[in-house]
Amino acid sequence: DTGVSQDPRHKITKRGQNVTFRCDPISEHNRLYWYRQTLGQGPEFLTYFQNEAQLEKSRLLSDRFSAERPKGSFSTLEIQRTEQGDSAMYLCASSLDTEGGYTFGSGTRLTVV
Amino acid sequence: DQQVKQNSPSLSVQEGRISILNCDYTNSMFDYFLWYKKYPAEGPTFLISISSIKDKNEDGRFTVFLNKSAKHLSLHIVPSQPGDSAVYFCAASPFQGAQKLVFGQGTRLTINP
Repeated sequence: DTGVSQDPRHKITKRGQNVTFRCDPISEHNRLYWYRQTLGQGPEFLTYFQNEAQLEKSRLLSDRFSAERPKGSFSTLEIQRTEQGDSAMYLCASSLDTEGGYTFGSGTRLTVV
Repeated sequence: DQQVKQNSPSLSVQEGRISILNCDYTNSMFDYFLWYKKYPAEGPTFLISISSIKDKNEDGRFTVFLNKSAKHLSLHIVPSQPGDSAVYFCAASPFQGAQKLVFGQGTRLTINP
């Protein structure tokens, strides 16, 4: 297992388009997280899955955002009708229940033009 | 509402000397703290953590100190090496294994030869 994989690494899209990102966590990890990082800031929590169940969502996750984790394996994060303010690095992470720290992927950098 | 603050955006240290990165928090519910290191174009990597039952935790060249009464923690790196040049984030949660981490804004550490 080579860690947490995210695809694509970079995405440039026009305002108003929909985008979807994929995250493949470490296979034995039952928890999966999405964070967003903007320039000069630390990662901000977006949402969290325990296996296939989405257990918590941040207020940052507007109704244009949706995340899924079918079968408790990979996860997708979709942003509909993208806005320039959505430009950020989207980070996925995974962990086991008892761990305190996560393993992060390298992120997907989204640029909305 | 910035619950975790890293007030120094950048720090420059000579190779071989000690690097001290600081972090303050405001939420008294936080009981578990972590430091992450981030290189450009990569996701954050877990470095070291500390629970509030301790005031110090050491791992090789890295030591984290926690002053719970002051709501302050620091990361000491000694001796500093050029490969330590990165952005360092502190993060906090109510307990080890919590599903959400709150990150500071990060401090960019540069180690000069």
